[in-house]
Amino acid sequence: AQSVSQHNHHVILSEAASLELGCNYSYGGTVNLFWYVQYPGQHLQLLLKYFSGDPLVKGIKGFEAEFIKSKFSFNLRKPSVQWSDTAEYFCAVTTDSWGKLQFGSGTQVVVTP
Amino acid sequence: DAGVIQSPRHEVTEMGQEVTLRCKPISGHNSLFWYRQTMMRGLELLIYFNNNVPIDDSGMPEDRFSAKMPNASFSTLKIQPSEPRDSAVYFCASSPNREAKNIQYFGAGTRLSVL
Repeated sequence: AQSVSQHNHHVILSEAASLELGCNYSYGGTVNLFWYVQYPGQHLQLLLKYFSGDPLVKGIKGFEAEFIKSKFSFNLRKPSVQWSDTAEYFCAVTTDSWGKLQFGSGTQVVVTP
Repeated sequence: DAGVIQSPRHEVTEMGQEVTLRCKPISGHNSLFWYRQTMMRGLELLIYFNNNVPIDDSGMPEDRFSAKMPNASFSTLKIQPSEPRDSAVYFCASSPNREAKNIQYFGAGTRLSVL
């Protein structure tokens, strides 16, 4: 069965620090990859997505992610976080034609002033 | 567009009661998804529809859960009877059509507490 693993469940860092969140998936075929963010008390919003082409994708709010096919990874990065980046981040994968999303367990990120 | 609209935002009920959660997808979207979010299990897909037809309900936990989509602009998720372990945030999401590359747009969720 396909699965999505997020290695860090909880990350605390200071403003201006760099952030990298790991995501690995288990599926040997073509995948479409997403990072969603859930700010406190809000619904999930798309941060960025990868379908094909340049494996380094840029999203909103200065986030980027790199698809490394050989490692089955899609790690999220931001060079300098802000307090407003405090949120829960979910990696997700679709492997079927219906667009069914499989989510990772999420990483809670807390940015301290 | 107003986005995906869910109601109610919060629901508190007693064990054994029937609970109905509602979702209005974005106009023109043909796919609709119901998710449940808990601390223990994270985000789980319960069921999804395409053109109002249920495609996969394998994520529905038990027969106590049922979902319908009578038309393109409305879906319900019903729990009868409810149990305390059903307490969670239930999200509805919609996407433009059947396509693996479609972005899903999420509603604000319904926070359900079963006492």
